[in-house]
Amino acid sequence: AQSVTQPDIHITVSEGASLELRCNYSYGATPYLFWYVQSPGQGLQLLLKYFSGDTLVQGIKGFEAEFKRSQSSFNLRKPSVHWSDAAEYFCAVGLTGTASKLTFGTGTRLQVTL
Amino acid sequence: NAGVTQTPKFQVLKTGQSMTLQCAQDMNHNSMYWYRQDPGMGLRLIYYSASEGTTDKGEVPNGYNVSRLNKREFSLRLESAAPSQTSVYFCASSGYSNQPQHFGDGTRLSIL
Repeated sequence: AQSVTQPDIHITVSEGASLELRCNYSYGATPYLFWYVQSPGQGLQLLLKYFSGDTLVQGIKGFEAEFKRSQSSFNLRKPSVHWSDAAEYFCAVGLTGTASKLTFGTGTRLQVTL
Repeated sequence: NAGVTQTPKFQVLKTGQSMTLQCAQDMNHNSMYWYRQDPGMGLRLIYYSASEGTTDKGEVPNGYNVSRLNKREFSLRLESAAPSQTSVYFCASSGYSNQPQHFGDGTRLSIL
């Protein structure tokens, strides 16, 4: 079965600083990979997805992520964080051929200081 | 442009009571899902419905039942609520199997 690890429970960055959130997965083949963001009291919003092809994917709100097969990682990055980016971020993995059954990481809570 | 709508948004139950959480999507999606979210555990899949007329167990199905009423609606039922089922419940839907899931805003359920 697939699994997802987000090693950082909580991260604090200053507004304008760069950001990298880590995600490692365990799966035998190339999975479908997703990053979602959750603002307090809200549902999850898709930031970006990787299915195949170019390993650097661009998402909404200026986020990008890079799939590295050799490291089984799919880290999320943003060059300059805005205060409105404060939220909880979830990495998720789906089985190849179907995104139906997603396994989520435990999430990373991002705090942005002004 | 509602997307995925969940009702109710908040609910408090007593142990042993029953409750049905409702979910409807207006995106003509084939697949629908129910998750629960608990602190420090991310989202865990309870049940899903790959298409109208089918349902399957996810990671944590015990204590729950589901009904895929039609293509739009997918309900989650707690027959005899237990305090361990206190959680935030999310419904999601997706089009075809290689498409991302879209989430509702959640139902916050407390069981006393």
